[in-house]
Amino acid sequence: DQQVKQNSPSLSVQEGRISILNCDYTNSMFDYFLWYKKYPAEGPTFLISISSIKDKNEDGRFTVFLNKSAKHLSLHIVPSQPGDSAVYFCAASARNSNYQLIWGAGTKLIIKP
Amino acid sequence: EPEVTQTPSHQVTQMGQEVILRCVPISNHLYFYWYRQILGQKVEFLVSFYNNEISEKSEIFDDQFSVERPDGSNFTLKIRSTKLEDSAMYFCASSDGNQPQHFGDGTRLSIL
Repeated sequence: DQQVKQNSPSLSVQEGRISILNCDYTNSMFDYFLWYKKYPAEGPTFLISISSIKDKNEDGRFTVFLNKSAKHLSLHIVPSQPGDSAVYFCAASARNSNYQLIWGAGTKLIIKP
Repeated sequence: EPEVTQTPSHQVTQMGQEVILRCVPISNHLYFYWYRQILGQKVEFLVSFYNNEISEKSEIFDDQFSVERPDGSNFTLKIRSTKLEDSAMYFCASSDGNQPQHFGDGTRLSIL
């Protein structure tokens, strides 16, 4: 099942710089997209989301961009901080499947001091 | 901040035995979910629950699985006759609308 793809298993970014995490999807029925952050031995923590009727949503240092024609979304973190080091999951849902979340494989973000 | 809590954090069970994984969702939430993550694989949806009934379930959620909301606070996942391949992290989530879902820290289930 490759409906949601995160092609970069890991990403290393210098502290203070921008981190850009990418996600692609194949199912055109998805109408809601979320980013979760996960530390080891903890559950996923909701970060930010975007509805398919929008192309950008911003919350503090986090911005999510949605390109529906390309079926692509990205999470920008700026400036990156050491506490941002975690695994980031992209997830998508559709109204017609009762909003079950379909997950990407995750990208491990490492912020270097 | 309100949290989803899951117990136990780690459950070790012999193959063929029944297990019950417990979750206390956030108190004003109405939608409840179970997901699992087998080591090295993606998080997978199991089941969603609303208004005291299953609203959606995946192919993984076969007859050996069941969910229950036995009282006003708990939400449980029962696996009737465990198999080795049931070993995974099981995450409970809840939401007050359809999104976003808030997750517990998971139960690591190890089947021997």
